Amino acid sequence: EVQLLESGGTLVHLGGSLRLSCATSGFDFYNYGMSWVRQAPGKGLEWVSSISGSDGSTYYADSVRGRFTISKDNSKNTLHLQMNSLRAEDTAVYYCAKNYESSGFYEMGAWGQGTLVTVSS
Amino acid sequence: QSALTQPASVSGSPGQSITISCTGTSSDIGEKNLVSWYQQNPGKAPKLLIYEVIKRPSGVSNRFSGSKSGNTASLTVSGLQAEDEADYYCCSYADSRTLVFGGGTKLTVL
Repeated sequence: EVQLLESGGTLVHLGGSLRLSCATSGFDFYNYGMSWVRQAPGKGLEWVSSISGSDGSTYYADSVRGRFTISKDNSKNTLHLQMNSLRAEDTAVYYCAKNYESSGFYEMGAWGQGTLVTVSS
Repeated sequence: QSALTQPASVSGSPGQSITISCTGTSSDIGEKNLVSWYQQNPGKAPKLLIYEVIKRPSGVSNRFSGSKSGNTASLTVSGLQAEDEADYYCCSYADSRTLVFGGGTKLTVL
């Protein structure tokens, strides 16, 4: 059974940094593309970042490029999101997601339960 | 990376069919057949319903179907059931190998 478990969400000050983690099990983590998607309170889904399973290429939304870094630790089957220079608009539940059937990242077939990041002054 | 356009809400009676549209541009929906649809119940993580425009993951009911014409993708839910009441999001490949979601549609089963 595929399992994804996010952690690291908390209250952080404006301009601060935070590292989210997503521990996975039940599939060959190395081969799959992974993504982070966020949802601000009462709002819709927003794609944040993805990493390819084939070559580790990374992709970012304009809203986070240059501030966030996605990475995979294949030895620990864990996905990370390093978040720097946090803004109030980064407040959201952050979900990690596994691509459905390939090393790409275009269809998110399994999701974690989410972790809440609150950015406040 | 402008959000795809979805109607804010749709509704239907049990047994009926409804269609949710998702409008983008030639740089996203119109460029590749990489449109997916997700169902989200309150307080829960999204669930993949459709990928690559028309494909259904294993375990997803065949009452859900997808299509695309030009820059607009559509999700059809046939034989509406009370359990289908949820929020629905489309998502597409966009230029520069990014993804973009629609704003979401709330489906109400009357």
